[in-house]
Amino acid sequence: QSALTQPASVSGSPGQSITISCTGTTSDVGSYNSVSWYQQHPAKAPKLLIYDVSNRPSGVSNRFSGSKSGNTASLTISGLQAEDEADYYCSSYTSSSTPYVFGTGTKVTVL
Amino acid sequence: EVQVVESGGGLIQPGGSLRLSCAASKFTVSSDCMSWVRQAPGKGLEWVAVIYTGGTTYSADSVKGRLTIARDNSKNTLFLQMNSLRAEDTAVYYCARGSLGTYYGLDVWGQGTTVTVSS
Repeated sequence: QSALTQPASVSGSPGQSITISCTGTTSDVGSYNSVSWYQQHPAKAPKLLIYDVSNRPSGVSNRFSGSKSGNTASLTISGLQAEDEADYYCSSYTSSSTPYVFGTGTKVTVL
Repeated sequence: EVQVVESGGGLIQPGGSLRLSCAASKFTVSSDCMSWVRQAPGKGLEWVAVIYTGGTTYSADSVKGRLTIARDNSKNTLFLQMNSLRAEDTAVYYCARGSLGTYYGLDVWGQGTTVTVSS
């Protein structure tokens, strides 16, 4: 099972909106509404931002939103803040022998 | 506070064995889906293994037959038995609870425990 494809880096200025893509196949992203998104600051554990494509856990800012179209899922961060500078990973359930797969990761830089 | 705490990491020679533990607080490991996720130095996240509430387990193809997930309900603890270790198993290993949504979004993570496989 190959990792889901994410852009290596995305950047934006404070207050702007950015979108991170997560491209999979019909065996994962395209077939299941299972995409999760995680934020990871350096030397910290990941934090769940979005589950089941577009749901936010309690306590997560509504500046984070998720969506999906076909084999590609997206995470949008609106009103970009300095604290949003981190690595972001998507994840999906898969129909392969390995039931879950992460994306390659995206480094977000706030200019 | 709901939390998990990993332990058991260390330096181990190639071919050796290690058992990681993940102690849960304020929730029951047998009542939730539990996973191990690892991150090699400077690399991305890699899902390793999962155990569902009914006890069914799955592991990544890259570790199948060598790394095994299990739980001890009486100790409320998750384990990862690691055998025939290789240099490429060097990573920070995270324990995580999957309790949100239909597909078990990982909402509680430990701080990680570091495994280094080297001679």
